[in-house]
Order: sequence, then C-alpha cells, then structure tokens
Amino acid sequence: DIQLTQSPSFLSVPVGDRVTITCRASLDIGNFLAWFQQKPGKAPNLLIYAASTLQIGVPSRFRGSASGTEFTLTISGLQPEDFGTYYCQQLNTYPFNFGPGTKVEIK
Amino acid sequence: QVQLVQSGAEMKKTGDSVKISCKTSGYTFTDYYMHWVRQAPGQGPEWMGWFNPNSGGTRYAQKFQGRITMTSDTSITTAYLEVTSLRSDDTAIYYCVKMLAYNPRAGGDYWGQGTQVTVS
Repeated sequence: DIQLTQSPSFLSVPVGDRVTITCRASLDIGNFLAWFQQKPGKAPNLLIYAASTLQIGVPSRFRGSASGTEFTLTISGLQPEDFGTYYCQQLNTYPFNFGPGTKVEIK
Repeated sequence: QVQLVQSGAEMKKTGDSVKISCKTSGYTFTDYYMHWVRQAPGQGPEWMGWFNPNSGGTRYAQKFQGRITMTSDTSITTAYLEVTSLRSDDTAIYYCVKMLAYNPRAGGDYWGQGTQVTVS
C-alpha cells in the first residue's frame, strides 16, 4: 500500500497567518491527490482535487501544489472558520488511503 | 441540490451483519461513482471501496474483501453497503461519498451525513 505522511500533525496559528501542510506519498501517485477539511461531528469537506484544483465554492485562500511525491496545502490568511483537521487522500493506487491528518487550531 | 441521506444508527453484536443505505437526490445517480469510507472513533477516514451505479461494478479494499458488498437500486437512486461478520473494531461512522465525475479517482465532492455503527 502507498503510505501517506502528513506534517505537522498539529498547528496552533493566529488568524491571518499563512498555514502550510505537507503530505508525502511513499510512491509516485501522479496528481491523484485530494485535500479535505473535517470539523468535529461532520463529514469531511473537499477542498482540492487533482493536487491543485480548487473545488467549487472553496475560498481562494486555499491552494494546493505538488512537487514529485510531496504535496502541499496552503491557507493564505487563516480565518476563524478554518479550524479543523485536514486530511490528504491518494486516489492513484488501491487502496485509496488517507493521510493521518493535521489538526489546525486557531490561536 | 445534491443530497446523500444515510440510514440511521445501528447497534449490532459481534458476528452480526449490517446494511446501510444512502438515498441520493439532485443528480443523475448512474453518472457518478460512489465510494464508501468509514471513520473509527478518534481516527482518520478509511477507504473501503467504490461502486459503479451504471454497471454495478465494484472495487473493494483488500482488507474488506469477502466481508463487504456494495449494491444499489437505481429505481430509487439508493446505494447500499453491507458488512458481515461484524467485530468490535468495525465500530465506526460509515459514509457514502459521491465522486466528482464518472471516474473512481475523481475525488469525493458530496458526503452523506454518516451512519454510526456500534458493535459490542
């Protein structure tokens, strides 16, 4: 199975700061990577698909990028509603597993 | 608007089976793959497999092979997940997830509200 690692596992960030979350895949997954935000008690919400395509309705402060097997989610100017846990998911090789998550707290 | 409404919470005993439904509306059911994902308490999501409502085709994660079945009733635009031989570590919230496109690798844009399955 492809292993996904995310860093950091936890972030406490003031409103307005930039946030960068990294997801590394153990093998080449092309651009078959999605990013999700999950809030407590809710289903995950799609932010980015195909590594860098912003899902309709998601604010433009969210950006996805890729370099080889390293993928980055950047939030430019953290807002209070951006708290939650962020997961990456690879959809290249079965099983389509998720990363372990990055919890973002508003400082 | 697109909606995926799942069946209610289930309490089961070890060895039981459970069948969860996912009633869809607001889009053409057979035009998009459906995935099933579960999330155990305090854990990240776990992908279980996908179902093609147009062909009836499936692809299951090897971990669940032989224990899960994904089906649908296109006449009522509803997808189903059945899990058999339940164990305590099957306790989780189960989600149906609509894909963005007629492509199992597209990414899940709409999720059901989740069905809590508790096994004791």
